[in-house]
Amino acid sequence: EPEVTQTPSHQVTQMGQEVILRCVPISNHLYFYWYRQILGQKVEFLVSFYNNEISEKSEIFDDQFSVERPDGSNFTLKIRSTKLEDSAMYFCASRQGFNTEAFFGQGTRLTVV
Amino acid sequence: AQKVTQAQTEISVVEKEDVTLDCVYETRDTTYYLFWYKQPPSGELVFLIRRNSFDEQNEISGRYSWNFQKSTSSFNFTITASQVVDSAVYFCALSISNAGNNRKLIWGLGTSLAVNP
Repeated sequence: EPEVTQTPSHQVTQMGQEVILRCVPISNHLYFYWYRQILGQKVEFLVSFYNNEISEKSEIFDDQFSVERPDGSNFTLKIRSTKLEDSAMYFCASRQGFNTEAFFGQGTRLTVV
Repeated sequence: AQKVTQAQTEISVVEKEDVTLDCVYETRDTTYYLFWYKQPPSGELVFLIRRNSFDEQNEISGRYSWNFQKSTSSFNFTITASQVVDSAVYFCALSISNAGNNRKLIWGLGTSLAVNP
């Protein structure tokens, strides 16, 4: 069964360092998302991406964040200069069509020390 | 406002009990979708069900059932004869359209269900 794949599963980084979280969405999906979940809290929307551009971003998604779909299969989230409060589980999701359900990857746990 | 409220933070039941997880939503969209996701201790988000705003039929899938009541803006989830493997955090989510002709999920805070043997 097709699935969304995220790597790495866990990343530890020092404050101020850049991190890139990688996702391979399901191959025929057209809509891509990043969400995050701070430990013990609810899932929060970060950004949606369609037709090779950002369609919406949340207040959390400031200038330190960027997304790319560099090669038609990967979908990456970059945090340029990590802060302690960026520590969270980051979920990538993809959808086939406008009105279909989103499928989530297993998440990347980012720990900023 | 566009939001999802899961008033029950934690529920603890004994195996084989039935349990209902409540979800109340608010939206100004006329077309929207409601979802339930399960997050087991391993952390991934597992899709359980999607319901669109025009379909108020209740749904049953094995031990799981969902009751969508548009009049009360609720989309409750019942697990019948609960099992230890049902222990997880359950999230209710609302899919709304956004400015970019796309959709995003608005999430409730989740209900942590513990099923004890």
